[in-house]
Amino acid sequence: EVQLVQSGAELKKPGESLKISCEAFGYTFTTHWIGWVRQMPGKGLEWIGIIYPPASDIRYNPSFQGQVTISADMSINTAYLQWTRLKASDTATYFCARPQLFCEDTTCDSGGFDYWGQGTLVTVSS
Amino acid sequence: SYELTQPPSVSVSPGQTAWIPCSGDTLPKQYAYWYQQKPGQAPFLLIYKDTGRPSSVPERFSGSSSGTTVTLTITGVQAEDEAVYYCQSSESSGTYVFGPGTKVTVL
Repeated sequence: EVQLVQSGAELKKPGESLKISCEAFGYTFTTHWIGWVRQMPGKGLEWIGIIYPPASDIRYNPSFQGQVTISADMSINTAYLQWTRLKASDTATYFCARPQLFCEDTTCDSGGFDYWGQGTLVTVSS
Repeated sequence: SYELTQPPSVSVSPGQTAWIPCSGDTLPKQYAYWYQQKPGQAPFLLIYKDTGRPSSVPERFSGSSSGTTVTLTITGVQAEDEAVYYCQSSESSGTYVFGPGTKVTVL
């Protein structure tokens, strides 16, 4: 069974650094992209970025470029989302999600996000 | 940057049909996906590639596409369908975008 298990809730102060994780179970980690989505309190979903671990291919939403860093460790099937200096406006729930994979012959394309982590609540407050 | 537009809210009586549109300039060229999100839960994929429905999704949920608009239809709405629904698509560069979400209220 595919599962994405995220790290627990965090309470941090402005200016602090943070790295949250998403551990993948039940599938071959190196065959799928894995993405991150932000949801601020009472607001909608915002796509942050996505990583393809075998190639370290990373794509960011321009709105988040330079504000966060996405990475992955294939040895432990884990993706990360990292901040160097948190702001109060980073307070949100962050989801990791795995897109579908559609393959025909030797070509594969990603689809919608069919597996989601449970979310990590990050609260930034002084 | 690329945007998708959705109405903020839709109200529907039980047993009736709800239509939720999503518009975007690249939708004729890129597939759309639909998610349902209930309070305190992660989003759930309802529709993929405009019209595909995962096996776990009830048949009352369907997707369609026409030009720059895709539509999620809920036929025979049930009380449990009250949720926020998001469309999502991508650009040719491989980046993704979500619509702002439509809150469906079952009267």
